[in-house]
Amino acid sequence: SAVISQKPSRDICQRGTSLTIQCQVDSQVTMMFWYRQQPGQSLTLIATANQGSEATYESGFVIDKFPISRPNLTFSTLTVSNLSPEDSSIYLCSVEFLWNEQFFGPGTRLTVL
Amino acid sequence: QKEVEQNSGPLSVPEGAIASLNCTYSDRGSQSFFWYRQYSGKSPELIMSIYSNGDKEDGRFTAQLNKASQYVSLLIRDSQPSDSATYLCAVKGSSASKIIFGSGTRLSIRP
Repeated sequence: SAVISQKPSRDICQRGTSLTIQCQVDSQVTMMFWYRQQPGQSLTLIATANQGSEATYESGFVIDKFPISRPNLTFSTLTVSNLSPEDSSIYLCSVEFLWNEQFFGPGTRLTVL
Repeated sequence: QKEVEQNSGPLSVPEGAIASLNCTYSDRGSQSFFWYRQYSGKSPELIMSIYSNGDKEDGRFTAQLNKASQYVSLLIRDSQPSDSATYLCAVKGSSASKIIFGSGTRLSIRP
């Protein structure tokens, strides 16, 4: 596995603003993912962060709302744009190692007022 | 039909007993299966991976896979109050690179 960190751990934002979440891994990984977990719900994949190319988004998620950067093999950012209360959720990054095992960062708890 | 199905619970098990968590999946070509434990307010933690039919044991945890029945389970022996958490079943499908998560089973171990 690896040490995965996320910043910020939590934030409270105003409607209409944006929040950028950082994910840092202590070793190089090919596959990084961004998930959303709404209260009491399971994990929903937002996108796969590809190094050197555009992220691959899941159905229902678009680049304008959730722009992602992946400048190298240890770092990625997810921006949640034009925030609304419905975006209040926990956002998680994960990385994949051998045998398809995914490990999660500690998460970012976002509250939109 | 959901791709990965779990009983949402809550499942209440007395301390010291065996907790049995079940999961079914729809993609017959799936090859990789995972169990995650998630404590309230924390991120999911990978506790078991299984890739072939049969049982895989790790300490008090046993994962069981039956590809013919499209069924995967997790047994927790000698359940402890610290095992109280939500357990997520996750399956990697045959063609996609992504993992599909079930909705999770909430387990409560009563003293």
